[in-house]
Amino acid sequence: NAGVTQTPKFQVLKTGQSMTLQCAQDMNHEYMSWYRQDPGMGLRLIHYSVGAGITDQGEVPNGYNVSRSTTEDFPLRLLSAAPSQTSVYFCASSGRSYGYTFGSGTRLTVV
Amino acid sequence: KQEVTQIPAALSVPEGENLVLNCSFTDSAIYNLQWFRQDPGKGLTSLLLIQSSQREQTSGRLNASLDKSSGRSTLYIAASQPGDSATYLCAVGAEGGSQGNLIFGKGTKLSVKP
Repeated sequence: NAGVTQTPKFQVLKTGQSMTLQCAQDMNHEYMSWYRQDPGMGLRLIHYSVGAGITDQGEVPNGYNVSRSTTEDFPLRLLSAAPSQTSVYFCASSGRSYGYTFGSGTRLTVV
Repeated sequence: KQEVTQIPAALSVPEGENLVLNCSFTDSAIYNLQWFRQDPGKGLTSLLLIQSSQREQTSGRLNASLDKSSGRSTLYIAASQPGDSATYLCAVGAEGGSQGNLIFGKGTKLSVKP
Protein backbone atom coordinates (compact mmCIF):
# COMPACT_ATOMS: atom_id res chain seq x y z
CA ASN A 1 0.00 0.00 0.00
CA ALA A 2 1.89 3.07 -1.27
CA GLY A 3 -0.37 5.68 0.39
CA VAL A 4 0.27 9.18 -0.99
CA THR A 5 3.04 9.52 -3.57
CA GLN A 6 4.53 12.88 -4.51
CA THR A 7 6.92 13.57 -7.38
CA PRO A 8 9.44 15.04 -7.75
CA LYS A 9 11.09 15.11 -4.31
CA PHE A 10 13.31 18.07 -5.21
CA GLN A 11 13.04 20.73 -7.91
CA VAL A 12 14.86 23.93 -8.83
CA LEU A 13 13.04 26.35 -11.12
CA LYS A 14 13.93 29.66 -12.66
CA THR A 15 11.62 32.60 -12.12
CA GLY A 16 8.82 32.53 -14.67
CA GLN A 17 8.99 28.83 -15.41
CA SER A 18 5.96 26.63 -14.95
CA MET A 19 5.78 23.11 -13.60
CA THR A 20 3.41 20.53 -12.19
CA LEU A 21 3.83 18.79 -8.86
CA GLN A 22 2.31 15.35 -9.01
CA CYS A 23 0.29 13.68 -6.26
CA ALA A 24 -1.32 10.26 -6.37
CA GLN A 25 -3.08 8.17 -3.71
CA ASP A 26 -4.14 4.55 -3.86
CA MET A 27 -6.53 4.50 -0.89
CA ASN A 28 -9.67 5.60 -2.79
CA HIS A 29 -9.87 8.69 -0.59
CA GLU A 30 -12.40 11.38 -1.42
CA TYR A 31 -10.52 14.33 0.01
CA MET A 32 -7.18 15.58 -1.27
CA SER A 33 -5.30 18.73 -0.37
CA TRP A 34 -2.13 20.66 -1.08
CA TYR A 35 -0.22 22.50 1.65
CA ARG A 36 2.94 24.53 1.70
CA GLN A 37 5.24 24.66 4.70
CA ASP A 38 7.40 27.68 5.39
CA PRO A 39 9.59 28.48 8.42
CA GLY A 40 7.65 30.49 10.98
CA MET A 41 4.41 30.20 8.98
CA GLY A 42 3.55 26.57 9.55
CA LEU A 43 1.50 24.57 7.09
CA ARG A 44 -0.97 26.52 4.98
CA LEU A 45 -3.68 25.15 2.69
CA ILE A 46 -3.31 26.01 -1.00
CA HIS A 47 -6.15 24.10 -2.69
CA TYR A 48 -8.32 21.15 -1.82
CA SER A 49 -10.76 18.75 -3.44
CA VAL A 50 -13.73 16.87 -1.96
CA GLY A 51 -14.03 14.54 -4.95
CA ALA A 52 -13.30 14.10 -8.63
CA GLY A 53 -14.27 17.20 -10.57
CA ILE A 54 -14.57 19.39 -7.45
CA THR A 55 -11.85 21.74 -6.23
CA ASP A 56 -11.75 24.81 -4.02
CA GLN A 57 -9.29 27.40 -2.83
CA GLY A 58 -7.56 27.35 0.50
CA GLU A 59 -5.72 30.07 2.38
CA VAL A 60 -2.94 30.79 -0.16
CA PRO A 61 -4.17 29.88 -3.68
CA ASN A 62 -2.62 32.67 -5.75
CA GLY A 63 -0.13 31.47 -8.36
CA TYR A 64 -1.33 27.87 -8.19
CA ASN A 65 -3.84 25.86 -10.18
CA VAL A 66 -5.35 22.42 -9.54
CA SER A 67 -7.68 19.95 -11.19
CA ARG A 68 -9.11 16.61 -10.10
CA SER A 69 -10.06 14.48 -13.08
CA THR A 70 -9.74 11.18 -11.20
CA THR A 71 -10.09 10.10 -7.57
CA GLU A 72 -6.41 9.07 -7.47
CA ASP A 73 -4.63 12.14 -8.83
CA PHE A 74 -4.46 15.75 -7.70
CA PRO A 75 -1.70 17.68 -9.50
CA LEU A 76 -0.63 21.18 -8.46
CA ARG A 77 0.45 23.55 -11.21
CA LEU A 78 2.70 26.54 -10.72
CA LEU A 79 1.77 28.90 -13.50
CA SER A 80 4.76 31.28 -13.44
CA ALA A 81 7.19 30.47 -10.62
CA ALA A 82 8.29 33.24 -8.26
CA PRO A 83 10.93 33.20 -5.51
CA SER A 84 8.07 33.57 -2.97
CA GLN A 85 6.96 30.07 -3.98
CA THR A 86 10.16 28.54 -2.65
CA SER A 87 8.79 26.14 -0.06
CA VAL A 88 8.13 22.54 0.85
CA TYR A 89 4.88 21.28 -0.66
CA PHE A 90 2.84 18.47 0.86
CA CYS A 91 -0.08 16.60 -0.64
CA ALA A 92 -2.54 14.84 1.66
CA SER A 93 -5.60 12.63 1.33
CA SER A 94 -8.40 11.52 3.62
CA GLY A 95 -11.39 9.22 3.46
CA ARG A 96 -14.65 10.18 5.21
CA SER A 97 -14.21 10.00 9.00
CA TYR A 98 -10.57 9.09 8.62
CA GLY A 99 -7.56 11.18 9.35
CA TYR A 100 -5.19 12.56 6.82
CA THR A 101 -2.25 10.76 5.20
CA PHE A 102 0.54 12.98 3.92
CA GLY A 103 3.05 12.47 1.15
CA SER A 104 6.77 12.87 1.77
CA GLY A 105 6.88 16.34 0.23
CA THR A 106 8.43 18.23 -2.67
CA ARG A 107 11.19 20.70 -1.89
CA LEU A 108 10.96 23.51 -4.43
CA THR A 109 13.50 26.28 -4.91
CA VAL A 110 12.78 29.16 -7.29
CA VAL A 111 15.85 31.18 -8.29
CA LYS B 1 -11.59 32.18 11.36
CA GLN B 2 -10.22 29.08 13.10
CA GLU B 3 -6.84 29.56 14.73
CA VAL B 4 -4.74 26.80 16.28
CA THR B 5 -2.06 27.54 18.87
CA GLN B 6 0.52 25.16 20.28
CA ILE B 7 2.37 25.83 23.50
CA PRO B 8 5.25 25.60 24.16
CA ALA B 9 7.01 26.21 20.85
CA ALA B 10 9.98 24.18 22.05
CA LEU B 11 10.56 21.77 24.90
CA SER B 12 13.66 19.97 26.14
CA VAL B 13 13.34 17.14 28.65
CA PRO B 14 15.57 14.37 30.03
CA GLU B 15 14.92 10.81 28.90
CA GLY B 16 12.26 8.98 30.88
CA GLU B 17 10.18 12.02 31.74
CA ASN B 18 6.43 12.13 31.12
CA LEU B 19 5.37 15.22 29.20
CA VAL B 20 2.33 17.08 27.90
CA LEU B 21 2.03 19.08 24.70
CA ASN B 22 -0.81 21.56 24.43
CA CYS B 23 -3.01 22.60 21.53
CA SER B 24 -5.82 25.15 21.61
CA PHE B 25 -8.30 26.20 18.93
CA THR B 26 -10.67 29.15 18.73
CA ASP B 27 -13.75 27.58 17.07
CA SER B 28 -15.25 24.53 18.77
CA ALA B 29 -17.15 23.49 15.61
CA ILE B 30 -14.55 20.96 14.52
CA TYR B 31 -14.92 17.67 12.64
CA ASN B 32 -11.87 16.06 14.17
CA LEU B 33 -8.41 16.77 15.57
CA GLN B 34 -5.24 15.04 14.52
CA TRP B 35 -1.75 14.96 16.00
CA PHE B 36 1.23 14.52 13.68
CA ARG B 37 4.93 14.03 14.12
CA GLN B 38 7.47 15.57 11.75
CA ASP B 39 11.16 14.67 11.75
CA PRO B 40 13.63 17.20 10.28
CA GLY B 41 13.42 17.29 6.49
CA LYS B 42 10.69 14.68 6.43
CA GLY B 43 6.95 14.48 5.89
CA LEU B 44 4.16 14.27 8.45
CA THR B 45 3.37 11.03 10.24
CA SER B 46 -0.08 10.69 11.77
CA LEU B 47 -0.01 9.78 15.46
CA LEU B 48 -3.58 10.01 16.71
CA LEU B 49 -6.95 11.06 15.33
CA ILE B 50 -9.79 12.13 17.64
CA GLN B 51 -13.25 12.52 16.17
CA SER B 52 -15.36 15.39 17.51
CA SER B 53 -17.57 12.94 19.44
CA GLN B 54 -14.60 11.34 21.22
CA ARG B 55 -12.76 12.45 24.34
CA GLU B 56 -9.44 10.67 23.91
CA GLN B 57 -7.37 8.23 21.89
CA THR B 58 -4.41 6.11 22.90
CA SER B 59 -1.59 4.48 20.99
CA GLY B 60 1.25 2.90 22.91
CA ARG B 61 2.93 5.57 25.04
CA LEU B 62 0.82 8.33 23.48
CA ASN B 63 -2.53 9.59 24.73
CA ALA B 64 -4.42 12.48 23.20
CA SER B 65 -7.44 14.14 24.78
CA LEU B 66 -10.01 16.51 23.33
CA ASP B 67 -12.23 19.03 25.09
CA LYS B 68 -14.27 20.75 22.39
CA SER B 69 -16.12 23.06 24.75
CA SER B 70 -12.89 24.62 26.01
CA GLY B 71 -11.13 24.39 22.64
CA ARG B 72 -8.23 22.31 23.94
CA SER B 73 -6.36 19.13 23.19
CA THR B 74 -3.35 17.63 24.91
CA LEU B 75 -0.85 15.03 23.76
CA TYR B 76 0.63 13.05 26.63
CA ILE B 77 3.88 11.16 26.03
CA ALA B 78 4.84 8.66 28.70
CA ALA B 79 8.41 7.66 29.50
CA SER B 80 9.96 9.83 26.79
CA GLN B 81 12.85 8.48 24.70
CA PRO B 82 15.49 10.22 22.52
CA GLY B 83 13.69 8.75 19.49
CA ASP B 84 10.66 10.88 20.39
CA SER B 85 12.63 14.00 19.44
CA ALA B 86 10.72 15.68 16.61
CA THR B 87 8.24 18.46 15.95
CA TYR B 88 4.68 17.64 16.97
CA LEU B 89 1.87 19.28 15.05
CA CYS B 90 -1.78 19.61 15.98
CA ALA B 91 -4.39 20.10 13.23
CA VAL B 92 -8.15 20.56 13.35
CA GLY B 93 -10.52 19.52 10.62
CA ALA B 94 -13.41 21.81 9.76
CA GLU B 95 -16.99 20.74 10.28
CA GLY B 96 -19.34 20.39 7.34
CA GLY B 97 -18.48 20.26 3.67
CA SER B 98 -15.03 21.79 3.82
CA GLN B 99 -13.41 18.72 5.30
CA GLY B 100 -10.42 19.30 3.06
CA ASN B 101 -9.47 22.19 5.24
CA LEU B 102 -7.04 21.19 7.98
CA ILE B 103 -5.85 24.09 10.10
CA PHE B 104 -2.44 23.51 11.67
CA GLY B 105 -0.71 24.89 14.69
CA LYS B 106 2.94 25.87 14.28
CA GLY B 107 4.13 22.90 16.28
CA THR B 108 6.09 22.06 19.40
CA LYS B 109 9.72 21.07 18.83
CA LEU B 110 10.56 18.36 21.33
CA SER B 111 14.09 17.38 22.27
CA VAL B 112 14.59 14.39 24.58
CA LYS B 113 18.11 14.26 26.03
CA PRO B 114 19.73 10.89 26.81
